[in-house]
Amino acid sequence: GDSVTQMEGPVTLSEEAFLTINCTYTATGYPSLFWYVQYPGEGLQLLLKATKADDKGSNKGFEATYRKETTSFHLEKGSVQVSDSAVYFCALRVAGTASKLTFGTGTRLQVTL
Amino acid sequence: DVKVTQSSRYLVKRTGEKVFLECVQDMDHENMFWYRQDPGLGLRLIYFSYDVKMKEKGDIPEGYSVSREKKERFSLILESASTNQTSMYLCASSFGVFDYGYTFGSGTRLTVV
Repeated sequence: GDSVTQMEGPVTLSEEAFLTINCTYTATGYPSLFWYVQYPGEGLQLLLKATKADDKGSNKGFEATYRKETTSFHLEKGSVQVSDSAVYFCALRVAGTASKLTFGTGTRLQVTL
Repeated sequence: DVKVTQSSRYLVKRTGEKVFLECVQDMDHENMFWYRQDPGLGLRLIYFSYDVKMKEKGDIPEGYSVSREKKERFSLILESASTNQTSMYLCASSFGVFDYGYTFGSGTRLTVV
């Protein structure tokens, strides 16, 4: 079946540090890939997405590139801020499954001053 | 902005009670979803619906049922609440089969005592 594997958290960084959160996937078909973010006490929000191989999704300084050869979609940001502290979820949708998303377990990011 | 509203932020129920969690979206989305979120397990799909009166089982439907009598409303029902159903419940909606992403509600934290 379809699955998403994320790196274990929590990830603790100092402000302005470089962030990478790893995400790899297995899919029965050709997936679209997503990153969602959940700030404390809130629901999930779509952060970025990529729908085909070599696409780069970007938003709010975050980027992720769809790598079909390594089945990965790692999230990166060049300089994190305290306000980026949240839980980040990688997810996929396989074409033909009518928009049903499969999520990873989430990675908690804590950014300190 | 699309809004997904969950009727309760916090709920405390007794074992054996029948529990209703309500979700309403205001942008005419066809698809609606119920997930539960547990630490270390991420989001797991309980049920989803592509249209009025339609429902499909997700990955963990046991102990739950759903109702979608109107397009904007999707209810999750715990037939006889048990302590292992203590969790955060997230409702989401999306448009058609396109990859616009989900819009999530803020969640209902249910405690079964």
